[in-house]
Amino acid sequence: EVQLVESGGGLVQPGGSLRLSCAATRYTFGGSWMSWVRQAPGKGLEWVANINADGSEKYYVDSVKGRFTISRDNAKSSLYLQMNTLRGDDTAVYYCAAAPNKYFLDYWGQGTLVTVSS
Amino acid sequence: DIQMTQSPSSVSASVGERVTITCRASQAIGNWLAWFQQKPGKAPNLLIYSASRLYHGVPSRFSGSGSGTDFILTINSLQPEDFATYYCQQVASFPSTFGQGTKLEIK
Repeated sequence: EVQLVESGGGLVQPGGSLRLSCAATRYTFGGSWMSWVRQAPGKGLEWVANINADGSEKYYVDSVKGRFTISRDNAKSSLYLQMNTLRGDDTAVYYCAAAPNKYFLDYWGQGTLVTVSS
Repeated sequence: DIQMTQSPSSVSASVGERVTITCRASQAIGNWLAWFQQKPGKAPNLLIYSASRLYHGVPSRFSGSGSGTDFILTINSLQPEDFATYYCQQVASFPSTFGQGTKLEIK
């Protein structure tokens, strides 16, 4: 069974930084597009960013451009999200998700909570 | 960016009934649409991809239709485990976008 496990969430002050990780097991990580999707408390899903299999293509939602960076290490089957200059509206559960065919998010992690507050 | 609008925002129905949820895109997206189910405190689960293709393991009472800008998720013969929130997502262009969600509640 495919497993995606996020880590790195927590409480951070506005303006601070955090790095999220997502470790994949029992999955052909190196051949798959990967995404981050977030969900603010009590709100809907928001697509954040994605990255292609070799890391050469990356896309971001406008609200995080210039602040967040998605990256991956295929040797470690791991996905990352470096989040800088965090704001209150970045508070959310962050999910990593896998898209084997680039487009459709077949597999999801359980999520990690990021809280931005002073 | 492509905007996705779902309706209704919430719906009440009884076990055994049929429910339809619609999703409209602000521009044509072909069949580049997915539907997800999410239960409280859990990650979303993929139900339908390419607008009408049933993801493996998803019961056949779920079906999707539409192309271009208008899409429908139909759930036939509602089961107790179907009460959840449903989201559509367009993947025709990045950034990808989700609809605002439809909460399906028990009547």
